[in-house]
Amino acid sequence: DVKVTQSSRYLVKRTGEKVFLECVQDMDHENMFWYRQDPGLGLRLIYFSYDVKMKEKGDIPEGYSVSREKKERFSLILESASTNQTSMYLCASSTTSGGLNEQFFGPGTRLTVL
Amino acid sequence: AQSVSQHNHHVILSEAASLELGCNYSYGGTVNLFWYVQYPGQHLQLLLKYFSGDPLVKGIKGFEAEFIKSKFSFNLRKPSVQWSDTAEYFCAGGRYQKVTFGTGTKLQVIP
Repeated sequence: DVKVTQSSRYLVKRTGEKVFLECVQDMDHENMFWYRQDPGLGLRLIYFSYDVKMKEKGDIPEGYSVSREKKERFSLILESASTNQTSMYLCASSTTSGGLNEQFFGPGTRLTVL
Repeated sequence: AQSVSQHNHHVILSEAASLELGCNYSYGGTVNLFWYVQYPGQHLQLLLKYFSGDPLVKGIKGFEAEFIKSKFSFNLRKPSVQWSDTAEYFCAGGRYQKVTFGTGTKLQVIP
């Protein structure tokens, strides 16, 4: 079974803090993704990475950055957390083999910014 | 820009009722389409996917979806829902490695 794990299930931070969300996958997938999930808005792509040290902006990258130093690990960074970044953050991975493939999701991190 | 839209935000059904959830996409050309499900407290997981070939796709737990190119639609169906189908359902589509998700439909099945 593919496993995508996220470092925290729940996180509470203060406005202005730097926040790191970590994601690790164990299936040697080339692609990794960060989404935020908000009620009524579905999943919105923040950033994705198709290889080590490579990254692409998604639909809502403002206020976020990412890091992928190793194939299995993809980090999302909130440089200066704000209350409008309170959300559920989902990490996913997929393989490139054979074209566009299903994504495997982690359990999510519910971040509250006070 | 590519987009995926789901028109039903919240659906309530009694057990044994038939289900159809709408999904429309705006891509031209080749498109890959998915339905994902998120059961309460669980990870998002794949229900079914369409890449090419037979437009009627069967997935897990008795779900199926039909790709109708002329209508840009990929609706999800199940002939008889169960209480355990209570979940949020997401349609998604894309090309290459970037996928766009719809806003989701919450399905509540009443016993």
